[in-house]
Amino acid sequence: SQKIEQNSEALNIQEGKTATLTCNYTNYSPAYLQWYRQDPGRGPVFLLLIRENEKEKRKERLKVTFDTTLKQSLFHITASQPADSATYLCALVGNAGNMLTFGGGTRLMVKP
Amino acid sequence: NAGVTQTPKFQVLKTGQSMTLQCAQDMNHNSMYWYRQDPGMGLRLIYYSASEGTTDKGEVPNGYNVSRLNKREFSLRLESAAPSQTSVYFCASTSGQSSYEQYFGPGTRLTVT
Repeated sequence: SQKIEQNSEALNIQEGKTATLTCNYTNYSPAYLQWYRQDPGRGPVFLLLIRENEKEKRKERLKVTFDTTLKQSLFHITASQPADSATYLCALVGNAGNMLTFGGGTRLMVKP
Repeated sequence: NAGVTQTPKFQVLKTGQSMTLQCAQDMNHNSMYWYRQDPGMGLRLIYYSASEGTTDKGEVPNGYNVSRLNKREFSLRLESAAPSQTSVYFCASTSGQSSYEQYFGPGTRLTVT
């Protein structure tokens, strides 16, 4: 069965450092991979999408990589700030595009 | 432009009671979704509606029913609530174009005792 793994342990980093979150998947060939941010008590908010034929995508301080051979995506936040503290979810999108499969999320804590 | 709205925000039910969770979007999106989120389990798809007039089962549909009332509204019904349905429920919608970005509502926290 399809499986998406994100580190369930919280990631604690110091302000100004680069945070790197990992999303691994098995038994899936996604056409796209998305990353969402979720704050406590709120719904997820879309951040970035990367397609299977793209190696890297950037948006301001965010960078996502997608390695379909390793079946892995890395999500980087450079120059991290306490306001970046949240849970980050990866989601895989099949070719039909109308269904997402989410990972369990990784909680990021950025300390001042 | 309110985006995706959900009612109620909180609900406590006794086992066996029924209730309907309401969801509406004002973005003219074709597709709408219902997820549940449990600690450590991520978001799991319950039902979705690719377009007005159609509904399909997701990963965990048992114990739920849905109605796509019109393009704006997509409701989720629990006919006979069970403690295993204690969760946070999120509704989402997407235009289905390019990025397939989903827009989520604020969630309904449901407790079944």
